[in-house]
Amino acid sequence: DSGVTQTPKHLITATGQRVTLRCSPRSGDLSVYWYQQSLDQGLQFLIQYYNGEERAKGNILERFSAQQFPDLHSELNLSSLELGDSALYFCASSPPADTGELFFGEGSRLTVL
Amino acid sequence: AQSVTQLDSHVSVSEGTPVLLRCNYSSSYSPSLFWYVQHPNKGLQLLLKYTSAATLVKGINGFEAEFKKSETSFHLTKPSAHMSDAAEYFCVVSKGGKLIFGQGTELSVKP
Repeated sequence: DSGVTQTPKHLITATGQRVTLRCSPRSGDLSVYWYQQSLDQGLQFLIQYYNGEERAKGNILERFSAQQFPDLHSELNLSSLELGDSALYFCASSPPADTGELFFGEGSRLTVL
Repeated sequence: AQSVTQLDSHVSVSEGTPVLLRCNYSSSYSPSLFWYVQHPNKGLQLLLKYTSAATLVKGINGFEAEFKKSETSFHLTKPSAHMSDAAEYFCVVSKGGKLIFGQGTELSVKP
């Protein structure tokens, strides 16, 4: 158990809909990262937050947004969903000392029908 | 720009035989390199990391990797495969605090 909690574990929805994925980082970790894993694109970095502020942005679509709240949990919002958004979405956190190690949650599997 | 290339998308070994998962990196400076493992339906877990100390890095579960600057390689090895090693393995380079993942190598272990 990495200490990173993601909900929901599975989500099935329809095209055009909007969903929110939630992540609670390990206790004491200030950074939260979101990754998307799909068969064709592999593991893609989406976005990073550090202590409530956006720190780095990767291949995140404009239809997607994220935020980190004062209690350090994070939410990834996916809107106007398309079939191609079906993927496993991982959240990871890292400690304040930059060791480069990320601790991953077990992911939220999104299926868009 | 930093990137990693995993040379095999799938590797199959027999239990008890050595494992070799190959990774080449490109980086404009001395990189931080990692290997992560993902078991089915699980999140990723750090196996080991190289951060410019010893070039031979030992990780968990008997895995190790050797940083070879002349070959720009960071191959992952294990002397004797176990059934529980069956998983997907990712070679990763750190860039600006974010991790860039290779495409992954799926390791199968036959009894």
